[in-house]
This record gives sequence, structure tokens and C-alpha cells, in this order.
Amino acid sequence: AQKVTQAQTEISVVEKEDVTLDCVYETRDTTYYLFWYKQPPSGELVFLIRRNSFDEQNEISGRYSWNFQKSTSSFNFTITASQVVDSAVYFCALSPLNAGKSTFGDGTTLTVKP
Amino acid sequence: DGGITQSPKYLFRKEGQNVTLSCEQNLNHDAMYWYRQDPGQGLRLIYYSQIVNDFQKGDIAEGYSVSREKKESFPLTVTSAQKNPTAFYLCASSIRGYSYEQYFGPGTRLTVT
Repeated sequence: AQKVTQAQTEISVVEKEDVTLDCVYETRDTTYYLFWYKQPPSGELVFLIRRNSFDEQNEISGRYSWNFQKSTSSFNFTITASQVVDSAVYFCALSPLNAGKSTFGDGTTLTVKP
Repeated sequence: DGGITQSPKYLFRKEGQNVTLSCEQNLNHDAMYWYRQDPGQGLRLIYYSQIVNDFQKGDIAEGYSVSREKKESFPLTVTSAQKNPTAFYLCASSIRGYSYEQYFGPGTRLTVT
């Protein structure tokens, strides 16, 4: 069985602070994919990143960075110098390579105050 | 513009009525999905289709039905058998199966009274 845990239900920061959203997963598969999605108040989920289980290289995209550590089954997401527009619900998801389905975490609500 | 469209944005129905939610994509994706989201919760999979004329039940398929007669379209019918149909429904597609990123529509908020 697969499981994705986003232990932080809500996080509130002040603009320009850095913030890290945690994601811990469980799977028996050796090959799998991890994702992050952003859900702004409008409701539509937006894809942010996809990472396969063999690629533990950290990724940086502008103010966003992701830290994948297979040893601790974690795929954490950091926003540097947060902005009000970053306010959203962020979901981490896990998918096996073959068969099975995607498992989403319950999401972390991030509020960035001006 | 490529993307996924869902209509309508808001839908109101009386209890006991069936209602069909529309989902269309022009991304030429093979796979399509329907999710349900309740307040403060994550996404729960209702149905999944990898190819035309084929679909599989997800975690909460009871009270729902789907069809996939065309690659571009994956409508969801919420039947009167669904005990708590009021929710936010999201349609998504991916180029192939689950191991690829999903692209989501704007969602339909269904209220049944």
C-alpha cells in the first residue's frame, strides 16, 4: 500500500520568509514518481514538478527548490523569499511506475502575509 | 490554447436527480481522471480511463458512472445512489498513465439539496 503524509496542515509566514513544506511517503515499489501540485484559491491544481525514484538530485526552479532523500522517504519543497501569490494549498503525490494509482497527501495550506 | 475544460463551474441539483459533469481536453492525452475533493481534504480518485472505451473504478466509485467514447471527453454522472454528492469535482488528464504529471481542469462545485 502507498501512503503520502503531509504533516503540516497549515503554515503561515510573512512575505520574504523562506518556507519548507514536508512530504514523507511510503511505498513498496522500487520505481516510482513523486509530484508536487499547487492549488490556488481558484481551485485548479497546477503541476509543479515530477521526480523519479532514481534521480535524487535536488532541483531548483526560480524561488522553488525540491529536496528528494530516498533514505528518509522524503520529498520536501522549499519556497525562498515567499510572496503573497504563493498562498495556496500544496499537494505532494506518489505514483508507481507500473499499475496502481496516484496517492495524494492531504495538502498543506500556505498563507503568506504581506 | 491547450487545456482541460469543465463545465459548469457551479452546479445545483435537488436530491434524487442524476447530474452529469462535463470534462473535455484538447491535449491529446490518453489518460483521464475524475477526483472528488471535500473541504480541507486531499483528492480521492473516482474513476480513471487510460484509453477510449476503457475505464477503471477508483477508491470511491460507488454512486458514480463514467463513459469514454472519445479521447477528448470523459463525462462523470453523479447518480442518486451517491449518498453525499455535494463536493468539488476535478477532472485531470495525463499523456499516459499515473507515472506522468496530471493536468487539471478548473473544477465543478456541485451542491445537492
